[in-house]
Amino acid sequence: EVQVVESGGGLVQPGESLRLSCAASGFTFSDYWMGWVRQAPGRGLEWVANINQDGSEKHYVDSVKGRFTISSDNAKNSLYLQMNSLRVEDTAVYYCARRSQLYKFFDYWGQGTLVTVSS
Amino acid sequence: DIQMTQSPSTLSASVGDRVTITCRASQSIDSWLAWYQQIPEKAPKLLIYKASSLEGGVPSRFSGSESGTEFTLTISSLQPDDFATYYCQQYYTYPLTFGGGTKVEIK
Repeated sequence: EVQVVESGGGLVQPGESLRLSCAASGFTFSDYWMGWVRQAPGRGLEWVANINQDGSEKHYVDSVKGRFTISSDNAKNSLYLQMNSLRVEDTAVYYCARRSQLYKFFDYWGQGTLVTVSS
Repeated sequence: DIQMTQSPSTLSASVGDRVTITCRASQSIDSWLAWYQQIPEKAPKLLIYKASSLEGGVPSRFSGSESGTEFTLTISSLQPDDFATYYCQQYYTYPLTFGGGTKVEIK
């Protein structure tokens, strides 16, 4: 069974950093692009970042470029999101998601981890 | 960036009703559109990809169609499990973008 499980969320102050992790199982992690999608409280979905199978290609939404870094470790079947210089508007549930092998939609999602940025 | 506009934002319906949700892209995305269902406090679930291809395990009462830059998700006979929020997503190009969502409520 395909599973992706996020961890690492919490409460931080503006300007601080946080690292999210996503543990994947039930599929060959190194065969797939992976991504992060976030959802602010009471709002819709917003794509954040994608990474390819060997980490050589990464894409980000403009609002996080230069602050967030997506990475992965195929040996550990894990995806990460390093978030620096956090802002109040980064407050959201962050979902780890597996991208379809052929196209850029997401076929499996985790349950999400809540990041709250507040002073 | 490609803007995805969903309508309506909220829809009230009864069990057994036929429901239609529309998503309009700000430019051509060919058929590179997916639909997701999100039940409150749960992760989104893929329903349809490539505008009209049903994901495995998704009930056949869900269907998708397209006409130019307008895409439609139809639920032929609404069931209790279908009360949720639905999102479209274009995957034609980066940045990947989602519609604002359509909440299907019980009438």
